[in-house]
Amino acid sequence: GDSVTQMEGPVTLSEEAFLTINCTYTATGYPSLFWYVQYPGEGLQLLLKATKADDKGSNKGFEATYRKETTSFHLEKGSVQVSDSAVYFCALSDRDNAGKSTFGDGTTLTVKP
Amino acid sequence: GAVVSQHPSRVICKSGTSVKIECRSLDFQATTMFWYRQFPKQSLMLMATSNEGSKATYEQGVEKDKFLINHASLTLSTLTVTSAHPEDSSFYICSAPLAGEFETQYFGPGTRLLVL
Repeated sequence: GDSVTQMEGPVTLSEEAFLTINCTYTATGYPSLFWYVQYPGEGLQLLLKATKADDKGSNKGFEATYRKETTSFHLEKGSVQVSDSAVYFCALSDRDNAGKSTFGDGTTLTVKP
Repeated sequence: GAVVSQHPSRVICKSGTSVKIECRSLDFQATTMFWYRQFPKQSLMLMATSNEGSKATYEQGVEKDKFLINHASLTLSTLTVTSAHPEDSSFYICSAPLAGEFETQYFGPGTRLLVL
């Protein structure tokens, strides 16, 4: 079945540091890949997505590139802010599996001033 | 953008009672909705797929008689936790894709259930 493996957290960075959260996946079909962000006590918000190989998703300074050859979708940001502190989930959605989403375990990011 | 709401946002109930959680797509129609539960500091686990006009499809290990799902209209799915017990305490989240766009899920804000 489909699975998503995320870099374990928690991750603690100083403001303006560079962020990388690794994500790799296995899927039987041709999935779309996503990063979601969850702030304390809230639901998930879509951060960015990529629907095919070599696509780059980007939003709010975050980027991730769909790498089929390495089955990866690593999240990066050049300069994090305190407001970026949240839990980040990598996920895939497989069209061949009725659009069901499979999530990684989540990575907690804390950015200190 | 597409908006999904959930009600209530938070509920506390006594053990043995039933709790209904609503999931609504506010500005689009959703023939399919998904229900997830999330334990503290853990990921989302898919519980079931709610299908408008037909029976829900449950994931392995999820008791369909315990978690009743009704997809009454193209904008509303309900999850009823029957005879709730403390171990059912969790964060329940629904999602819905736009018609013809299964790749992207729009998530509700979640419902936190605490069973005493």
